[in-house]
Amino acid sequence: EDKVVQSPLSLVVHEGDTVTLNCSYEVTNFRSLLWYKQEKKAPTFLFMLTSSGIEKKSGRLSSILDKKELFSILNITATQTGDSAIYLCAVEGPYYGNKLVFGAGTILRVKS
Amino acid sequence: NAGVTQTPKFRILKIGQSMTLQCTQDMNHNYMYWYRQDPGMGLKLIYYSVGAGITDKGEVPNGYNVSRSTTEDFPLRLELAAPSQTSVYFCASSHGRDSGSPLHFGNGTRLTVT
Repeated sequence: EDKVVQSPLSLVVHEGDTVTLNCSYEVTNFRSLLWYKQEKKAPTFLFMLTSSGIEKKSGRLSSILDKKELFSILNITATQTGDSAIYLCAVEGPYYGNKLVFGAGTILRVKS
Repeated sequence: NAGVTQTPKFRILKIGQSMTLQCTQDMNHNYMYWYRQDPGMGLKLIYYSVGAGITDKGEVPNGYNVSRSTTEDFPLRLELAAPSQTSVYFCASSHGRDSGSPLHFGNGTRLTVT
């Protein structure tokens, strides 16, 4: 059965800290891994990763994929209170319809 | 540009009642999805559609039905509501499998069955 495991489940940091969120997966015929940020409502897309070792970066957020060890990390530097959210990792297998398998998410709270 | 629109935002149902969650998108996406999100469980796929007239089951389809008569609309039907269906429901859409485009989510419907 395909599986995506995120760690930690929750995390509390202070503004300015750097955080690393982890996502490991077991998916048959992996195609891509996606990170989403979910605040109060809909998840919003952050990154899509398909190749090992290539870092994707957007401002203070960055992510990298290791296809050999089957994991990805999401880094957030100089955290701000606006980074408080649930961060979801999802993996796409070969299924018709690009169905995604989601992890349970990491709840990040940034204190001022 | 509205994106993916879901209605209603909130609903309380009694056990055994029926309802339809509405979802419409204006991005001309072929692929549409229904997910449910329970605390600490991530999102689980209920049903999906790859185009008008085509639907298929996801991971947790029991107790639900869908239809896709147009590209824009993908309603989710609950026939006999049960407490286990208390959840937040998200509709999503994408261009399709090979485009590399990620899912675009609606704002969700919070459903409580008592």
